[in-house]
Amino acid sequence: DVKVTQSSRYLVKRTGEKVFLECVQDMDHENMFWYRQDPGLGLRLIYFSYDVKMKEKGDIPEGYSVSREKKERFSLILESASTNQTSMYLCASSLSSPGQSEAFFGQGTRLTVV
Amino acid sequence: ILNVEQSPQSLHVQEGDSTNFTCSFPSSNFYALHWYRWETAKSPEALFVMTLNGDEKKKGRISATLNTKEGYSYLYIKGSQPEDSATYLCAFWSGYALNFGKGTSLLVTP
Repeated sequence: DVKVTQSSRYLVKRTGEKVFLECVQDMDHENMFWYRQDPGLGLRLIYFSYDVKMKEKGDIPEGYSVSREKKERFSLILESASTNQTSMYLCASSLSSPGQSEAFFGQGTRLTVV
Repeated sequence: ILNVEQSPQSLHVQEGDSTNFTCSFPSSNFYALHWYRWETAKSPEALFVMTLNGDEKKKGRISATLNTKEGYSYLYIKGSQPEDSATYLCAFWSGYALNFGKGTSLLVTP
């Protein structure tokens, strides 16, 4: 089974903290994605990566950065957490041509910034 | 930001009812349309990946159709069961990333 694992299920951080959300996949997928999900807004794309050390901004990259040093790991970084970044964060991965293949999701990290 | 619209936003049906949802997406530069089911406390799971105009896919009681020329897809559930209760997401592959609609939340009561 394909597995996408996110490091934490629940996280509480203080405003101004630097926060790392980790995602690891075990299927040698080229593409990896970070989304956030908020009530009434659906899944919104933050950043994605199609190869090691490559990254592309999604629709809402402000306040976030990412790192992909190894193919299996894609990290989302909140440089200085703010309360408006309280959300559910979902990581996903797919083969190089997700037009033809499905995306696999992690279990999500519910982040609360206080 | 590509506009992927889903309707209705939510739906409440009785066990045994058949139901359908709509996903509309940009009809130009079509690559693929995905459907996912997202149950509470679980990860979204793929139902269908559709790439060709006129595609029809089926998995058990769930089926989907695709019209790329007019930019819409329908998801059908025949004889809904309580275990079908979930949020159903469609996603448009834009050539670089999956853009999701806001989902249709389905509740099936016995």
